Amino acid sequence: EDQVTQSPEALRLQEGESSSLNCSYTVSGLRGLFWYRQDPGKGPEFLFTLYSAGEEKEKERLKATLTKKESFLHITAPKPEDSATYLCAVQAAGNTPLVFGKGTRLSVIA
Amino acid sequence: NAGVTQTPKFQVLKTGQSMTLQCAQDMNHEYMSWYRQDPGMGLRLIHYSVGAGITDQGEVPNGYNVSRSTTEDFPLRLLSAAPSQTSVYFCASSYWDRGQETQYFGPGTRLLVL
Repeated sequence: EDQVTQSPEALRLQEGESSSLNCSYTVSGLRGLFWYRQDPGKGPEFLFTLYSAGEEKEKERLKATLTKKESFLHITAPKPEDSATYLCAVQAAGNTPLVFGKGTRLSVIA
Repeated sequence: NAGVTQTPKFQVLKTGQSMTLQCAQDMNHEYMSWYRQDPGMGLRLIHYSVGAGITDQGEVPNGYNVSRSTTEDFPLRLLSAAPSQTSVYFCASSYWDRGQETQYFGPGTRLLVL
């Protein structure tokens, strides 16, 4: 059974304090790993898709990396507006539906 | 483009009532799906569709029906609402371009079943 575990459940950072969120997964043949941002009361917003170990993608202060067992979302010098829940999801080979983790709730304090 | 739209935004039902949650997208995406999100559970897939006329069950399909008569619309029907169906429901559509998938979510429908 495909599984996704995100850690920590919640993270509180000071503005400018860089850190990383973790997404560990077990899947029978990874087709893609997805990162989303979700603000309270809104739908998830697509950030990145990673397809192979060693791949990296960046967007503003966010950088996502992928290994064969996990993905990291690095947040460099975060700002209060980066506060949100970050969701990770995996898709197995065969174009199967995404399996989501429970998310990491990030709070950035000014 | 309006993206993915969902109606209603909020709904209160009594146990046993039926209703339809509407979802529409104007991006001509073939793949659409319905999720529910509950505290501590993450997003769970209810039903999905890979194109008009084709639907399949996800992780938690019981108590829900779907149909896909057009590319644009993917309604979710609750046949006989139960308190366990109290949740936030998200519709999503996605497309593939040069081997990369991008998924767009709607704003959600908050459902309370009494």
